[in-house]
Amino acid sequence: DGGITQSPKYLFRKEGQNVTLSCEQNLNHDAMYWYRQDPGQGLRLIYYSQIVNDFQKGDIAEGYSVSREKKESFPLTVTSAQKNPTAFYLCASKSGGRYTDTQYFGPGTRLTVL
Amino acid sequence: AQTVTQSQPEMSVQEAETVTLSCTYDTSESDYYLFWYKQPPSRQMILVIRQEAYKQQNATENRFSVNFQKAAKSFSLKISDSQLGDAAMYFCAYRSGGGSEKLVFGKGTKLTVNP
Repeated sequence: DGGITQSPKYLFRKEGQNVTLSCEQNLNHDAMYWYRQDPGQGLRLIYYSQIVNDFQKGDIAEGYSVSREKKESFPLTVTSAQKNPTAFYLCASKSGGRYTDTQYFGPGTRLTVL
Repeated sequence: AQTVTQSQPEMSVQEAETVTLSCTYDTSESDYYLFWYKQPPSRQMILVIRQEAYKQQNATENRFSVNFQKAAKSFSLKISDSQLGDAAMYFCAYRSGGGSEKLVFGKGTKLTVNP
């Protein structure tokens, strides 16, 4: 089945620890995205990548890092510098090109800092 | 910067009835795309419907249709023959047509469907 997978579904972190959230897609999509969702809020863009080995900051990149070594994978690391990391994290992807405009989302990871 | 406003934090509808969710946006661009996403309790975001700003015809997908008023910068979602499975958070989103990769989301409307 083609789709986007995120793991783990739930993640607990102690303060001061870095954690990495996984996002994999087998849709052969060029672009991938990370969003953060807080209660009562819409999604906010953390980072995105349009091609392998390239990525750009979104609106709330501070305290996060990413890599894009493979087309299928776009892991997000939440560092200890992120002051309030407890949130729901969603990964998305879309095929390349100007008119392929629709992003498709994975099932998300719930991160809780203890 | 573009903004998206959903003025109804919560809405409810009786099963089989019709409901309309409101969305307004602010932009100075003429080329853009608009989307409605559904987020059920599973929390996965599911695309409901999309609209290109250059198209005057309102998009439809089965029981879902939009009323796109470009001059008024309004993009409402109409759900006909509401079903229990339609209960979810609904998010309106904007994407610039100028090559920006960013989706700008509203804060969402929680839809309850009463049997």
